[in-house]
Amino acid sequence: GAVVSQHPSRVICKSGTSVKIECRSLDFQATTMFWYRQFPKQSLMLMATSNEGSKATYEQGVEKDKFLINHASLTLSTLTVTSAHPEDSSFYICSASRTSGGLNEQYFGPGTRLTVT
Amino acid sequence: EDKVVQSPLSLVVHEGDTVTLNCSYEVTNFRSLLWYKQEKKAPTFLFMLTSSGIEKKSGRLSSILDKKELFSILNITATQTGDSAIYLCAVEDLTGNQFYFGTGTSLTVIP
Repeated sequence: GAVVSQHPSRVICKSGTSVKIECRSLDFQATTMFWYRQFPKQSLMLMATSNEGSKATYEQGVEKDKFLINHASLTLSTLTVTSAHPEDSSFYICSASRTSGGLNEQYFGPGTRLTVT
Repeated sequence: EDKVVQSPLSLVVHEGDTVTLNCSYEVTNFRSLLWYKQEKKAPTFLFMLTSSGIEKKSGRLSSILDKKELFSILNITATQTGDSAIYLCAVEDLTGNQFYFGTGTSLTVIP
């Protein structure tokens, strides 16, 4: 089956620094990639949708200048948390979608836990 | 290799039917299993299961975990068209740093 990886799986950074998280589709080309953030009680919030070669579409309330998304190729999207603050500490999950047999399939990465000290 | 497998991949039922969705897993350091419902944007959290044999219930939805046989089921009784969605199963490992998602079961409920 299709595999999506994220790197790093865990990162600890100091307040004010920037952190880049990578999301890769390992064995397929993803037409679209999504970035989610996990909140307490396991809920997931969609942060943005990115298509290769175009600007990401951010959800309402998500600061695009703070959460920079770059979708440089059909297999790689990056999320950069700029000037990180402790409240940015969370679990970030990406997913990648492709169309197969007329169906839209979505594959989730394993997530990245960000801790800002 | 840690993985989560859901079955069936897709399912079409009539309103009022009862459905059972399956999730089996092979995760070395199991912490919890979560069920989500995805309709439009972000998956909506349904249940978190950590112990075997204890049924979690919310309205017409219920779920149970079997840690010996490494699977969980999600039951939906008296299905409604609003239940149409993709149901995702995910397993969290002990470190809390890894989630393993299944590919989901696409449920379509027709009137």
